[in-house]
Amino acid sequence: GAGVSQTPSNKVTEKGKYVELRCDPISGHTALYWYRQSLGQGPEFLIYFQGTGAADDSGLPNDRFFAVRPEGSVSTLKIQRTERGDSAVYLCASSLRAGRDTQYFGPGTRLTVL
Amino acid sequence: QQQVKQSPQSLIVQKGGISIINCAYENTAFDYFPWYQQFPGKGPALLIAIRPDVSEKKEGRFTISFNKSAKQFSLHIMDSQPGDSATYFCAATGTASKLTFGTGTRLQVTL
Repeated sequence: GAGVSQTPSNKVTEKGKYVELRCDPISGHTALYWYRQSLGQGPEFLIYFQGTGAADDSGLPNDRFFAVRPEGSVSTLKIQRTERGDSAVYLCASSLRAGRDTQYFGPGTRLTVL
Repeated sequence: QQQVKQSPQSLIVQKGGISIINCAYENTAFDYFPWYQQFPGKGPALLIAIRPDVSEKKEGRFTISFNKSAKQFSLHIMDSQPGDSATYFCAATGTASKLTFGTGTRLQVTL
């Protein structure tokens, strides 16, 4: 079956621009997670959704970052006024339920802010 | 604050040898410890996981050893193969659902 998909695979933008990153989770998975992975580091948690609501957004670094999941399936991570320090791979994962269910990761979106 | 410390940063093992990666955690609320394998350009994939009520879990060539009192756990890869060459991440979670990852170990298995 289809896994988690993320689009675009690569995004290059200029400092100060707005970007949107999309995640399509595995069908039927109620929990969806966003992580950010900098070069040579482990993924860092940003936010997770249980259904349509953000259950935990404690990892969002500041108010330039925002994520939505309006219908409980596809999610969009939005970054305003991008900065060079936002350059990283943004990973999305989904699991059948929240908690300790296995999180299945997508291939990520590589964001480069020039 | 780094809640999960992982070592070594990189590891070179000969084919057929044993690869050992170690992790230590601080948060006693963690109660589920997965290991993920990541190939270049791919997302992490679950390899094996353990709960603290057991001291060891084995799946094929992969074994997790867990020491609750020391708050340490390790991954052993027996009979390492070139196809095992990847970056390995330990992780931890609890009721909060989010995963806290270690910094990763880049494993290279040579012929």
